[in-house]
Amino acid sequence: TQLLEQSPQFLSIQEGENLTVYCNSSSVFSSLQWYRQEPGEGPVLLVTVVTGGEVKKLKRLTFQFGDARKDSSLHITAAQPGDTGLYLCAGAGTPLVFGKGTRLSVIA
Amino acid sequence: NAGVTQTPKFQVLKTGQSMTLQCAQDMNHNSMYWYRQDPGMGLRLIYYSASEGTTDKGEVPNGYNVSRLNKREFSLRLESAAPSQTSVYFCASGPFFGETQYFGPGTRLLVL
Repeated sequence: TQLLEQSPQFLSIQEGENLTVYCNSSSVFSSLQWYRQEPGEGPVLLVTVVTGGEVKKLKRLTFQFGDARKDSSLHITAAQPGDTGLYLCAGAGTPLVFGKGTRLSVIA
Repeated sequence: NAGVTQTPKFQVLKTGQSMTLQCAQDMNHNSMYWYRQDPGMGLRLIYYSASEGTTDKGEVPNGYNVSRLNKREFSLRLESAAPSQTSVYFCASGPFFGETQYFGPGTRLLVL
């Protein structure tokens, strides 16, 4: 069974701080996705990474796929209250494998 | 495009009552999914339909049934609701099975 472990589970930071959240597995994934879920809504896809070592940037968010395609990280620079939400990683599979998420709270 | 729509948004049931949650997508996606989300448990897959005409059990199928009515619609039925089924239910769809998914806004269900 493929599993994705996300850490930390919870993170509370002040506006303007930087942070990194992690998504780790013992399995290799052909691709990995990151979703953000805001309170009261469904998850929304942020990015898909496909190639080992790949780095993608989305404004202040930087996503990296590990060289061995077993892990990924999400780095947020200068966090803002609008970044608050649940961040989920998901690995391609039959079906898609979701981690349990990191709940981020950015305090103004 | 509306994306993925779910009805109802909220529902309160008594133990033993039945109901059907509706889901529709207008993106011509092949695969559709039903998840439940509970605090600390993450998203758990209930049932999925890899393509029109097929359905399969996910991680937590007990107490639920599904119907892939056509390519657009995938419904989830609770035949005899139990308090343990109190949850937020999400429908999702994707162009290809096992890859990117697009989620609906969710149905919040309370079973008393």
